[in-house]
Amino acid sequence: AQSVSQHNHHVILSEAASLELGCNYSYGGTVNLFWYVQYPGQHLQLLLKYFSGDPLVKGIKGFEAEFIKSKFSFNLRKPSVQWSDTAEYFCAVNAGNMLTFGGGTRLMVKP
Amino acid sequence: ETGVTQTPRHLVMGMTNKKSLKCEQHLGHNAMYWYKQSAKKPLELMFVYNFKEQTENNSVPSRFSPECPNSSHLFLHLHTLQPEDSALYLCASSQLLGNEQFFGPGTRLTVL
Repeated sequence: AQSVSQHNHHVILSEAASLELGCNYSYGGTVNLFWYVQYPGQHLQLLLKYFSGDPLVKGIKGFEAEFIKSKFSFNLRKPSVQWSDTAEYFCAVNAGNMLTFGGGTRLMVKP
Repeated sequence: ETGVTQTPRHLVMGMTNKKSLKCEQHLGHNAMYWYKQSAKKPLELMFVYNFKEQTENNSVPSRFSPECPNSSHLFLHLHTLQPEDSALYLCASSQLLGNEQFFGPGTRLTVL
C-alpha cells in the first residue's frame, strides 16, 4: 500500500523566512501529487498539483513544489512566508483511485 | 450555493442514536468521497463513490453506512457509534477519480 510521510509535524518561522516542507511517498508507479492547505477554521483547499511535465510546479500564494522522482519526494517551498500562511499543510498522493494523505505539518508564522 | 456543502456542521450524539451526515456538491463532479479527520492522525479515506457506485470501502466498520442516491449527493448514516468515532468528517468531490478533490467544511461529530 502507498504511504506518505511528512517529517516536519510543527514548524515555527518568522515572517520573511523561507519555507521548505518535506513530503516523501512510497509507490513505484505513476502518481499524481498534491499539496493542500487548511487555514484555521476553513476548508481544505488545493495549493498546487503535479500530474506530468515540468517537475517544478507553481501554485497559489507564491508556493511552489518540486517533484524529484528518484527521491520519491514532492517538497513544498515558499521563499518568504507571511503571517497569513499560518495553517496546516497536507501532502497527498494519488495512485489509482486512492488519495493518501500525509500526517500534515502545522506551520506557525510569527509576525 | 457553490462548491461542496455539508450539513450539519456540528453534531453531538449518544452511542445509541441514529443520525445522518449530508454532503452536496454543486460542481458537476462524478466522484465523491468521505474522509475522517482525527486529532493526531492522518486524514483517513473512508468511502469512494464513482458515478453513484461505491468503489472503495477502506475497512470502515458497519456502524458507518454510506449512501449515494445521485452524483451530487452523498450521505453517511451513523448508528451505535463509539466515543472514538468523534472526529471531523469531510466530504470531497472530483470530476473524475484521480483528479484534484474539492473539500467541504466538514461535520464536527462528538459521540458521548
